[in-house]
Amino acid sequence: QKEVEQNSGPLSVPEGAIASLNCTYSDRGSQSFFWYRQYSGKSPELIMSIYSNGDKEDGRFTAQLNKASQYVSLLIRDSQPSDSATYLCAVNEYGGGADGLTFGKGTHLIIQP
Amino acid sequence: DTAVSQTPKYLVTQMGNDKSIKCEQNLGHDTMYWYKQDSKKFLKIMFSYNNKELIINETVPNRFSPKSPDKAHLNLHINSLELGDSAVYFCASTLLRDGGTYEQYFGPGTRLTVT
Repeated sequence: QKEVEQNSGPLSVPEGAIASLNCTYSDRGSQSFFWYRQYSGKSPELIMSIYSNGDKEDGRFTAQLNKASQYVSLLIRDSQPSDSATYLCAVNEYGGGADGLTFGKGTHLIIQP
Repeated sequence: DTAVSQTPKYLVTQMGNDKSIKCEQNLGHDTMYWYKQDSKKFLKIMFSYNNKELIINETVPNRFSPKSPDKAHLNLHINSLELGDSAVYFCASTLLRDGGTYEQYFGPGTRLTVT
């Protein structure tokens, strides 16, 4: 049974600070890792993907992957109130994604103005 | 233009009824999916459909059946609806990029309420 674990939060971060979101996964064969953002009542929106160990930066977002520790994280710099949402970590065992993503239960992030 | 679209957005029905949710993607993706998000916001894969190959999550009751009339459409048909089927159902599709990376896009969701 593949599992993805996230702290459900809420995680409260002051505006302008760095928000750090963490995720662990059980399947060592996982190859693809994703962070989605979901606003209340909306669909998940892909914000980052990462496939190899290390850091990947995109604007204010940095994803970090450590396959040995089975750990994925997302850093959000200069947090804005609009970043307040639920962040979903997702993994996939196979490179092609044919069997769909396994999601964590999400971390609810609140950016305090 | 919306990449992945679903209809209807809201569906309210009674127990025992049969209903369908439609999904269309205009991205030319090969693989489409159905996910269920329950009241606790947990998102779980139900089906994936890739070039006529159906992969079923073994926990999905056989009252649920995906139907794909063509590559751009994957509909979800549900028989004998139960109260526990109330959830938000998301359609998604995958763009496979060069190098084996891929991106999965979600539709807007269909909120199903069974009374």
